[in-house]
Amino acid sequence: AQSVTQLDSQVPVFEEAPVELRCNYSSSVSVYLFWYVQYPNQGLQLLLKYLSGSTLVKGINGFEAEFNKSQTSFHLRKPSVHISDTAEYFCAVSDRWGAQKLVFGQGTRLTINP
Amino acid sequence: EADIYQTPRYLVIGTGKKITLECSQTMGHDKMYWYQQDPGMELHLIHYSYGVNSTEKGDLSSESTVSRIRTEHFPLTLESARPSHTSQYLCASTQGNDYGYTFGSGTRLTVV
Repeated sequence: AQSVTQLDSQVPVFEEAPVELRCNYSSSVSVYLFWYVQYPNQGLQLLLKYLSGSTLVKGINGFEAEFNKSQTSFHLRKPSVHISDTAEYFCAVSDRWGAQKLVFGQGTRLTINP
Repeated sequence: EADIYQTPRYLVIGTGKKITLECSQTMGHDKMYWYQQDPGMELHLIHYSYGVNSTEKGDLSSESTVSRIRTEHFPLTLESARPSHTSQYLCASTQGNDYGYTFGSGTRLTVV
């Protein structure tokens, strides 16, 4: 069975500082990987996804993530954060075939301080 | 601009009542999903559908039921609500091998 571990439940950073949100996954088969963002009282929005090809994936709002197969990781990074990046971030994994069910991590609350 | 709509956004209801949470999408997506999200916690899949007349239970056991009579509509029903059903329910959809889930804004359900 697949599982996703987000290593930090909360990450506080100062505005304009860099940030990395960590994600490790466990799966016995090839997977697709995703990062979603959830702003207060809203649904989830796709930030980026890794399906194949280059291991460095660029997404919206200046975020990027790197797929590392040997370490089974998919960490999310942004070189300079803004107050508007304050939100909950979810890493997710999906099998490459079938129902495309997403398995989510526990989420990381990113708080940007002025 | 949402292409997947959930109603109501908020619902407070008494124990034992029957409720239906609505989810509709205008994108013609074949696959649809219901996730349950408790405050500050991860999302758990409770139901999904490959297409019309296809429904499956997800990884988290749920007392709710779903139906998929039309492509665009995937309602979730609780026959008898209990306080343990208090949660946020998120609907999502995707098409083919796109893997780009589109999520609705969610329904926050409180059972008193």
